[in-house]
Amino acid sequence: DAKTTQPPSMDCAEGRAANLPCNHSTISGNEYVYWYRQIHSQGPQYIIHGLKNNETNEMASLIITEDRKSSTLILPHATLRDTAVYYCIATYNDMRFGAGTRLTVKP
Amino acid sequence: EPEVTQTPSHQVTQMGQEVILRCVPISNHLYFYWYRQILGQKVEFLVSFYNNEISEKSEIFDDQFSVERPDGSNFTLKIRSTKLEDSAMYFCASTGTGSTDTQYFGPGTRLTVL
Repeated sequence: DAKTTQPPSMDCAEGRAANLPCNHSTISGNEYVYWYRQIHSQGPQYIIHGLKNNETNEMASLIITEDRKSSTLILPHATLRDTAVYYCIATYNDMRFGAGTRLTVKP
Repeated sequence: EPEVTQTPSHQVTQMGQEVILRCVPISNHLYFYWYRQILGQKVEFLVSFYNNEISEKSEIFDDQFSVERPDGSNFTLKIRSTKLEDSAMYFCASTGTGSTDTQYFGPGTRLTVL
């Protein structure tokens, strides 16, 4: 699995877009970019994943740079319930979690 | 929406005792996983299981750990002789028909070893 680098923490105002960056400069051609989040000590929750193209679902959007060396997870209208640790994982099949980014959404 | 379930939600045991943590993966999923998370630390991979055998395991998954799919629905993690340092959240996950599919996680079992 490619190593990923994320900022340890970020703040976001409620109702604003939260943009969470991730660097994965050693990603290989068959590795996907996955995003999960963990609220308190709950089980990691799948958010979105992509290979090359940008992806959007009901939770978030994933923007992957053309060279695939970095990506950004976008929560378009963050709510207080989006406060969590967000994990970016570059992998073919195994999930290896790093420290993630602790996102705090503030009123 | 189908989900992974785990029981119990909290297990308290004495050091040296055996514990079995149970998981019911999403039906029709074929790949199963166990992870653990020590309080304040990152989620760590323990083992993956496919076709009734271990496909991969981490260095954490030593001889005191074992996994089993005793029937068509349950997936269990057994710790034979618990240690204080086994205290953690244990998460089960499952994946559909391909190992590259998205993993869906259960809510976890909090294991406390006294």
